[in-house]
This record gives sequence, C-alpha cells and structure tokens, in this order.
Amino acid sequence: GAVVSQHPSWVICKSGTSVKIECRSLDFQATTMFWYRQFPKQSLMLMATSNEGSKATYEQGVEKDKFLINHASLTLSTLTVTSAHPEDSSFYICSARPGSLQHQPQHFGDGTRLSIL
Amino acid sequence: DAKTTQPTSMDCAEGRAANLPCNHSTISGNEYVYWYRQIHSQGPQYIIHGLKNNETNEMASLIITEDRKSSTLILPHATLRDTAVYYCIVNNYGQNFVFGPGTRLSVLP
Repeated sequence: GAVVSQHPSWVICKSGTSVKIECRSLDFQATTMFWYRQFPKQSLMLMATSNEGSKATYEQGVEKDKFLINHASLTLSTLTVTSAHPEDSSFYICSARPGSLQHQPQHFGDGTRLSIL
Repeated sequence: DAKTTQPTSMDCAEGRAANLPCNHSTISGNEYVYWYRQIHSQGPQYIIHGLKNNETNEMASLIITEDRKSSTLILPHATLRDTAVYYCIVNNYGQNFVFGPGTRLSVLP
C-alpha cells in the first residue's frame, strides 16, 4: 500500500520549454503533497507544500511563478517548470501523506530527472 | 523541527545486523522519529517511524531511548540491496520534512 507514482521518470528538453511533472497517489487519498528538488550529491530540499483545492505554500527562495503547482484532486498534484533553463536541471521528487492522522509518514515517488539543454 | 545528527558513513558485512544511530537531543514531546532510505537515483523509501516505544516491521526495528534524545535503526540481516543513504528525520505532525545528509551505508560482501 501507499504507492506514489511520478511521471515522467526523466525528461530532456530545450531551454525555454515548459515541463509538467505529475504525481499520483495510487491507493490512497492525499490531502497534502510535497515537492522536493535534489541536486547531485546533495540531500532533498523541500520546494513547496501542495494542499488539495488551495494554493501551494512555497519555501523561501523558490519562485512560485516559475514552479507552478496544481493539486486539483486528492490523488493528483502537478509541478510545471515554466521556461526552464539549464540551472533548473535537477532531480524532482514528490511525496504524499495518506489519511487524516498527521503523524502518518510521507510516501515518495521515484522522482523525475530533468535535463535542460 | 528538531535537528538530527547521523554518522556520515558506515560499513556492514552482508548477513550481519546494521545498526544506524541518530541523535536528536532537541526533540520535543510531540515529534515523531522517521527513517527513510534512498537508493541511488530513486525517491526515498519509507522504513519505519515511532514516537517513544520501540517499533518493528518487516523491514527494520526502531529503538528509541527512554529520554528520546537518540534512536537506532536496526536492519537485522543486511543484504547488498540495503546499500543506500539512510535519513533520520524528527518531525511534528508529519509536515515539512527536513532532510540532512544522512548516513551512507555500504553493505560489503
């Protein structure tokens, strides 16, 4: 149980392109989903917290106009990297927390490796 | 959220128990301890979590000291597939996890 699917697994695109990443909770409903970014040889860094039906909360230093997050249903959140540039190349990972009990652990997708040429 | 301190790296012989320590001396009364691991180029995998009692599941055991200032994750019979970076996180209400550098566990044949 508690499976989170992320798509695509990897994407290569030209500078200036917008890229959408999907995060789905397959066997549970997730009121809250999270988006992280991980650069090579570094740890995960939280980008934003996504709540179903409301605006996402972004961490300091993360441009909300560049990283658009939509959480339209209890099983789907999307991250769109708008006008991507080479410095946006990274490993993007989503997570979701099942249930209403707030100590429930987050479950993570397998990540999306984004390469901007 | 409380900070955690973990050794940078550890080695363990295949088939032996791997004991991964974590210090969280500033943990507050309602913060849980969570353990995850990340194998290269994958998302973190949930292992176990607990508040104050020891916990065991099919993957591992979590031993939390009585004062809750430290904990140990135990993989009873480590295999080569357990080679990964292990993260210890303490968190209130499961909200914003803060990932430190973790412990890089190498299981050796």
